[in-house]
Amino acid sequence: AQSVTQPDIHITVSEGASLELRCNYSYGATPYLFWYVQSPGQGLQLLLKYFSGDTLVQGIKGFEAEFKRSQSSFNLRKPSVHWSDAAEYFCAVVRYNNNDMRFGAGTRLTVKP
Amino acid sequence: KAGVTQTPRYLIKTRGQQVTLSCSPISGHRSVSWYQQTPGQGLQFLFEYFSETQRNKGNFPGRFSGRQFSNSRSEMNVSTLELGDSALYLCASTGGLSNTGELFFGEGSRLTVL
Repeated sequence: AQSVTQPDIHITVSEGASLELRCNYSYGATPYLFWYVQSPGQGLQLLLKYFSGDTLVQGIKGFEAEFKRSQSSFNLRKPSVHWSDAAEYFCAVVRYNNNDMRFGAGTRLTVKP
Repeated sequence: KAGVTQTPRYLIKTRGQQVTLSCSPISGHRSVSWYQQTPGQGLQFLFEYFSETQRNKGNFPGRFSGRQFSNSRSEMNVSTLELGDSALYLCASTGGLSNTGELFFGEGSRLTVL
């Protein structure tokens, strides 16, 4: 069964510092990979996605993620965090042509001034 | 174009009652998925409907059911509510002409069971 692991439940960074959120997946083939962000009381917004090709993908709000097949990882990065980035971040996987998307437990990001 | 719309946004029920939640997908999207989000269990997949047929189902008891109409609108129903059903229920749609596999989420229906 496919699964997603986000090892960090909560991360605190200072505004302006760099950020990396970890995501590991377990699946027999390369799935489609996503990062979503959720602000309090809101639904989920897509930050970026990986289907194939270039393993470094760019997303909205200055985020990027790198797919590493050998490590089954899809870590999210941002070079300089803004206070408005405080939210919960979810990594997700889905098989090709299957809309059964599975999510990690999420990482809550706190940004210190 | 309009996003995914979920109604109601908030509701309070008591144990043993039933509840119906509604989801209108983005125009042109034919797939609708439902998720339950709780602090303890995170985001859990309930089921997915495509062209009025349930295509995928998560690991939830039969008290949780859904349906999809010919206009792709979907409803989910929870019968005999339990305290543990208190959660944010999220609906997501996908599958338009430029289907890229991503899910587009509504803002959710927050259910409180007393």
